[in-house]
Amino acid sequence: AQSVTQLDSQVPVFEEAPVELRCNYSSSVSVYLFWYVQYPNQGLQLLLKYLSGSTLVESINGFEAEFNKSQTSFHLRKPSVHISDTAEYFCAVSRISGNTGKLIFGQGTTLQVKP
Amino acid sequence: DVKVTQSSRYLVKRTGEKVFLECVQDMDHENMFWYRQDPGLGLRLIYFSYDVKMKEKGDIPEGYSVSREKKERFSLILESASTNQTSMYLCASSGGRGKTDTQYFGPGTRLTVL
Repeated sequence: AQSVTQLDSQVPVFEEAPVELRCNYSSSVSVYLFWYVQYPNQGLQLLLKYLSGSTLVESINGFEAEFNKSQTSFHLRKPSVHISDTAEYFCAVSRISGNTGKLIFGQGTTLQVKP
Repeated sequence: DVKVTQSSRYLVKRTGEKVFLECVQDMDHENMFWYRQDPGLGLRLIYFSYDVKMKEKGDIPEGYSVSREKKERFSLILESASTNQTSMYLCASSGGRGKTDTQYFGPGTRLTVL
């Protein structure tokens, strides 16, 4: 079975400051990794994903995440946040072998960007 | 653009009522999913479906059932609503069976059971 832990439930940060949202996972098999974002009053949308290849993946709006297999982590980072980044962020995993398309989500981290 | 729509944004029902939540996707996706979202618990999978008339239990299926009579529509049914089913319900769809495709989510239905 897989599980995902997001270590911070809320992360307050000032605009233009850097931010890191932490995600650790537990799995006996290899997994794919995802970050989804939920803006206020909206559904979730994919931010970025790691399937294979380079362990550093980037999104179109400046976020990046690095897959660290030895530490079973997939932390999300952004060097300079904007007010518009205020949202809830979910880390998720999906097993590779016998993949069914199912995602296992973490508890979510609320990013609060202050002016 | 992929679009996943849910029949209601807000719903208020009474304990014991039968509740239907509808989800429709317009991208001919094979996979559809129902989650509930609760503060501090993230998203938990209730049921999913790979094809018409096919369903599989997720992690928390108790108290729920589903129906998929057409490829584009996936319904979640609360046979006898209870107060502990008050939650945000999210529907999602993705492309090929068993593939690690991006899941596309609807806006959610916030259900309150009194």
